[in-house]
Amino acid sequence: GAGVSQSPRYKVAKRGQDVALRCDPISGHVSLFWYQQALGQGPEFLTYFQNEAQLDKSGLPSDRFFAERPEGSVSTLKIQRTQQEDSAVYLCASSPRVGEQFFGPGTRLTVL
Amino acid sequence: AQRVTQPEKLLSVFKGAPVELKCNYSYSGSPELFWYVQYSRQRLQLLLRHISRESIKGFTADLNKGETSFHLKKPFAQEEDSAMYYCALLEYGNKLVFGAGTILRVKS
Repeated sequence: GAGVSQSPRYKVAKRGQDVALRCDPISGHVSLFWYQQALGQGPEFLTYFQNEAQLDKSGLPSDRFFAERPEGSVSTLKIQRTQQEDSAVYLCASSPRVGEQFFGPGTRLTVL
Repeated sequence: AQRVTQPEKLLSVFKGAPVELKCNYSYSGSPELFWYVQYSRQRLQLLLRHISRESIKGFTADLNKGETSFHLKKPFAQEEDSAMYYCALLEYGNKLVFGAGTILRVKS
């Protein structure tokens, strides 16, 4: 069956540009997570949805970061006015039960 | 703040040798811990979780609350075990806190 998919897989943005990263979770998974992974580091939590409700956004590094999941399925992570420090791999994960998360392949964002 | 520490960035062993990937955590409560693995060109995937107490691909991990550790072990390493391994802690609110990861390289 299809796993979590993310698009685009690679994104190059000029500093100041807005970007939108998409995540398609596994069908039926209620929970969806976004993580940011800097080079040489483990994934770091950004935000979490249960269905369409954003239950935790404590990991979003600034108000330039915004995530939504309007119909409780596909989610979009938007970064406004990108900065060089936003360069990272952005991982999406969906979860059928607490603790077990299925990860997508990630989107590698490079901000020039 | 809850934290997961993996002290080794790289662990290199010969095929057939024992493997121990170290993980220490800090958590105020009853922790739930996981090992995730990322093979070359593949996505991050769950290897095992401490509450299931199972052995996956020959790997085991025991939670030691006294030492706040959750080391991953395998008695005989195989070349296909070469990968990046992340220890992770389930934090209140269902999110995972990851360590920085350890690259395991199994040499023939």
